[in-house]
Amino acid sequence: GAVVSQHPSRVICKSGTSVKIECRSLDFQATTMFWYRQFPKKSLMLMATSNEGSKATYEQGVEKDKFLINHASLTLSTLTVTSAHPEDSSFYICSAPLVTDNEQFFGPGTRLTVL
Amino acid sequence: AQSVTQLGSHVSVSEGALVLLRCNYSSSVPPYLFWYVQYPNQGLQLLLKYTTGATLVKGINGFEAEFKKSETSFHLTKPSAHMSDAAEYFCAVSDLGGDDKIIFGKGTRLHILP
Repeated sequence: GAVVSQHPSRVICKSGTSVKIECRSLDFQATTMFWYRQFPKKSLMLMATSNEGSKATYEQGVEKDKFLINHASLTLSTLTVTSAHPEDSSFYICSAPLVTDNEQFFGPGTRLTVL
Repeated sequence: AQSVTQLGSHVSVSEGALVLLRCNYSSSVPPYLFWYVQYPNQGLQLLLKYTTGATLVKGINGFEAEFKKSETSFHLTKPSAHMSDAAEYFCAVSDLGGDDKIIFGKGTRLHILP
């Protein structure tokens, strides 16, 4: 199946700093990618839809200035958590759809811890 | 808007026993339905999906699920549980297809008792 990677897998940062998380589709192109957030022992919450070459579409309640999304190429989307605070600590997962398979492939996730 | 309800945040079964994880959905259009499994600190792996056609869907690792429109359900089953099945399971729905945004249920943690 198709492979989606995320980098880094784990990051620890100080409060007030910004953190960038990369999501790459390794063997296919994705004009759309999705970003999810998962709290401990909770479900995945869709944050936003990343669109190649245009602005991301954010779900209700998600701060677009806090979570900056850039989809610069057909294989790369980035999520930047700006001015991170402890409450932003979470597991962030991206996914990329493979249209021909009518299926999405998920990255392994990034564990963000803000001190 | 679509939504998913998973009954039971924790389910425990004995090794070799039947696994049944319940999922009910709400959708205004014929839905696309999915079951995903997540092992600790890992991403999601697709177990199976229903798009159209046969309502009984077979997936990986011996799991299957049946789409019942009249009951708006998509329960996941496996005839005989294995220790390696212990994980978090998510039911999910999409209105527009498997390549569009997916809404997840809250998940069910499956525990396998020796």
